[in-house]
Amino acid sequence: EVQLVESGGGLIQPGGSLTLSCTASGLTVSNNYLNWVRQAPGRGLEWVSTIYSGGPTYYADSVRGRFTISRDNSKNTLYLQMNSLRAEDTAVYYCARSTRHVDTTMVEYYYYYYMDVWGKGTTVTVSS
Amino acid sequence: DIQMTQSPPSLSASVGDRVTITCRASQSIRRNLNWYQQKPGKAPKLLIYAASNLQSGVPSRFSGSGSGTHFTLTINSLRPEDFATYFCQQSHRTPEYSFGQGTKVEIK
Repeated sequence: EVQLVESGGGLIQPGGSLTLSCTASGLTVSNNYLNWVRQAPGRGLEWVSTIYSGGPTYYADSVRGRFTISRDNSKNTLYLQMNSLRAEDTAVYYCARSTRHVDTTMVEYYYYYYMDVWGKGTTVTVSS
Repeated sequence: DIQMTQSPPSLSASVGDRVTITCRASQSIRRNLNWYQQKPGKAPKLLIYAASNLQSGVPSRFSGSGSGTHFTLTINSLRPEDFATYFCQQSHRTPEYSFGQGTKVEIK
């Protein structure tokens, strides 16, 4: 069974740092596109960051320069290092895998991406 | 940025009803549109990908349609377990995904 399990959330003061972990089973982190998505209390979903299997990383404008996504292949684990935390970073943080569907009916192959495996989330609360 | 707008924000329906939720993109996203279901305290669950493809294991009463900027999620014959919040997501500008604000389906 493919599974993602997040950990590392907690209560942290504004300006502090926290590292979230996402341990994978049934999939290899180095071979997959993995994402962090967050959800503030009572709010919608917000994409935070992605790491591609080849290594490139991407960030939402709201976290760029403060958050760093990385992985440890030997531990099969994804991380999110969060620095300079703000009250607006308070949310449940989910890790999710992106999978692609290949449309071969077109002249050139076209890829559709979607998040098919999600962890249960870990809660980060930024408050003094 | 691609903005996703869902309507309605919430709706009340009865078991057995047909429900339609709309998602509009601020620019054409072709068919790069996914739908998720989320229940309170749970992670989102993928229902539909590439606008109309049913994810494995998802009941056939769920269906999606649309392309370009206008998309719909339809639930035929609503069941008690379908009361949840539904989100659309664009993947046209991967990996800069963006989500709609959600539609909460409540029991009438």
